[in-house]
Amino acid sequence: DAGVIQSPRHEVTEMGQEVTLRCKPISGHDYLFWYRQTMMRGLELLIYFNNNVPIDDSGMPEDRFSAKMPNASFSTLKIQPSEPRDSAVYFCASSLGQALADTQYFGPGTRLTVL
Amino acid sequence: AQSVSQHNHHVILSEAASLELGCNYSYGGTVNLFWYVQYPGQHLQLLLKYFSGDPLVKGIKGFEAEFIKSKFSFNLRKPSVQWSDTAEYFCAVNRVNSGNTPLVFGKGTRLSVIA
Repeated sequence: DAGVIQSPRHEVTEMGQEVTLRCKPISGHDYLFWYRQTMMRGLELLIYFNNNVPIDDSGMPEDRFSAKMPNASFSTLKIQPSEPRDSAVYFCASSLGQALADTQYFGPGTRLTVL
Repeated sequence: AQSVSQHNHHVILSEAASLELGCNYSYGGTVNLFWYVQYPGQHLQLLLKYFSGDPLVKGIKGFEAEFIKSKFSFNLRKPSVQWSDTAEYFCAVNRVNSGNTPLVFGKGTRLSVIA
């Protein structure tokens, strides 16, 4: 298996622009997670899906952030409009099984820089 | 809210030195405990995990961790580090109750191993 795939790997954009991050989870995994990693706040869970349904989006910082999972093999995280404080590495992870305690497999991340 | 504390932000060791990275969590109930590692330029991957049973858990690459319930701790250890262990290490916890909660990650400890 190719593992969790994320694109793009790097994104540089200007403040106010829309940014879309993409994730393909490992085939057969029931859970998909979006995280944000910054020096100040560490690794934060933004939202997670179970069987394509958003379960908990309490970590989404504000309405500028939205996430979708239209099918089992694809998810997007969108920021509109983007701001410099959104600069971070965004990770997608997926896990198999019925329990949140199952091992999460992380993608390589998207490094976002908002100028 | 549940929190995970990793007290050491950056640890520098010489090769062959012994390693212990601290991890404490705040939740008093039943928990699952994890250590993830992020090698430079790579994604997070699971090092080891504890669900139940023997509180001393063996992981990959010679790492182990000990769950001490009375101290709310899950410290990571390795008797002799190698240069290739240079990475960032994350402790993570999730609560086990009527429904598992998502993982909460510590802010990470950066380990630098020097020759």
